Amino acid sequence: KQEVTQIPAALSVPEGENLVLNCSFTDSAIYNLQWFRQDPGKGLTSLLLIQSSQREQTSGRLNASLDKSSGRSTLYIAASQPGDSATYLCAVDMNRDDKIIFGKGTRLHILP
Amino acid sequence: SAVISQKPSRDICQRGTSLTIQCQVDSQVTMMFWYRQQPGQSLTLIATANQGSEATYESGFVIDKFPISRPNLTFSTLTVSNMSPEDSSIYLCSVVLPGRAQYFGPGTRLLVL
Repeated sequence: KQEVTQIPAALSVPEGENLVLNCSFTDSAIYNLQWFRQDPGKGLTSLLLIQSSQREQTSGRLNASLDKSSGRSTLYIAASQPGDSATYLCAVDMNRDDKIIFGKGTRLHILP
Repeated sequence: SAVISQKPSRDICQRGTSLTIQCQVDSQVTMMFWYRQQPGQSLTLIATANQGSEATYESGFVIDKFPISRPNLTFSTLTVSNMSPEDSSIYLCSVVLPGRAQYFGPGTRLLVL
C-alpha cells in the first residue's frame, strides 16, 4: 500500500531564504507526482506536476525534483516571500483509477 | 488547466439537515472526485462521480450519507445528509485532465452546529 510522508510537518523561515520541502513515498511505481498549495480554508492550487519519466519541473521560483528509485521528491522555493505562507501537499498517482494519494502536508510560515 | 467552481463556498447548518454542494467545470471531463478535509487533516477521498452510473464510494463512505449525482460531463453534486457536527469539514471536488494532472475546486467550508 502506497504511503506518502511529508517532512517537516511545519516550518518557519525568515523572508528571503531558500527552502526545501520533502516528500517521500513507499512504492516507487508511480505514474506522476504533483505538488499543491493550500491556503487556510481554501481549495488546492496545482503548482507542479512531474511525470515518472522526468527528473524535475520548474515554475518561477519553484523547482520540484523527483527521484523515483529512492521514493523522494523535493520542492525548492527560492527567495521566499510572506505570500508563500501556506500548506504544501504532495500527491502521487499510481495509475489506478485516477486516484491520487496525498501526504499530510507541510505548513509553511514565512516571517516578514 | 481547468476552471472549477463550487457552490456554496461556505455554509453553517443545523444538525439533522442536509446540504447539497455543486461542482461545475468549464470543460468536459471523464473523472470527477469528491474529497473531504476535516480540520487539521489531509484530504480523504469520498467517492468517484461517474457520469451515467452510480458513484463509486471509498471505504467508510456510503451512498445514503453522501449521495452523488453526475448528470453530465461538466457538473456534479454531493449531498451531505442528516448532518452532525462531525461532518464539519471542507468538501472539495476535483477533476483529472489529460496528462493525469488533478485540479481542485475552491472548496465548500461546512460548519454543522
